[in-house]
Amino acid sequence: DTEVTQTPKHLVMGMTNKKSLKCEQHMGHRAMYWYKQKAKKPPELMFVYSYEKLSINESVPSRFSPECPNSSLLNLHLHALQPEDSALYLCASSQGLTWDTQYFGPGTRLTVL
Amino acid sequence: EDQVTQSPEALRLQEGESSSLNCSYTVSGLRGLFWYRQDPGKGPEFLFTLYSAGEEKEKERLKATLTKKESFLHITAPKPEDSATYLCAVQGGYSGGGADGLTFGKGTHLIIQP
Repeated sequence: DTEVTQTPKHLVMGMTNKKSLKCEQHMGHRAMYWYKQKAKKPPELMFVYSYEKLSINESVPSRFSPECPNSSLLNLHLHALQPEDSALYLCASSQGLTWDTQYFGPGTRLTVL
Repeated sequence: EDQVTQSPEALRLQEGESSSLNCSYTVSGLRGLFWYRQDPGKGPEFLFTLYSAGEEKEKERLKATLTKKESFLHITAPKPEDSATYLCAVQGGYSGGGADGLTFGKGTHLIIQP
């Protein structure tokens, strides 16, 4: 089983709202990732968690705040977003080493009004 | 900086018409090359991982190959359900062996007409 689940599937929020995206995997993977994908563009890396510690932050604005409560869960807390943050937010997981395959979830379609 | 270029950007084929998609890459030490399929509004679906030049992998109508500079995704006798965007990604460099993000190409949008 290589399933990564993400909730919600769709999210519409105003610029003053606070919301969270959730990602879960039960494959025993020790690395989890957040990517952002704009329309007709490839995914772009935001954050990497390795063994529940933030290991890579690709200079993402502080209005995006990741959290890894345990090895199976990954959250992305959103606050004071801008309309240009509207995108498909993808979560992925892998065994934990550089060359391990990353498995993606279905994504959360975020619209910021 | 790792770079991935995919061609063509879009490809329209008749059902049963075989073809190949290209992915050329520049990395400082390839750790792995990955092919994904992505349907509109959905997350990328894993297809293949290739680690070294000369390696080949097959799955149904798809076959992926790897050289030192590029990878090909060969599609044999495609069906309409093979229509999707095919993404190539690389993992390069040396980050101590720890987890790192993928560098994606812009993808090839493939349409198979009945």
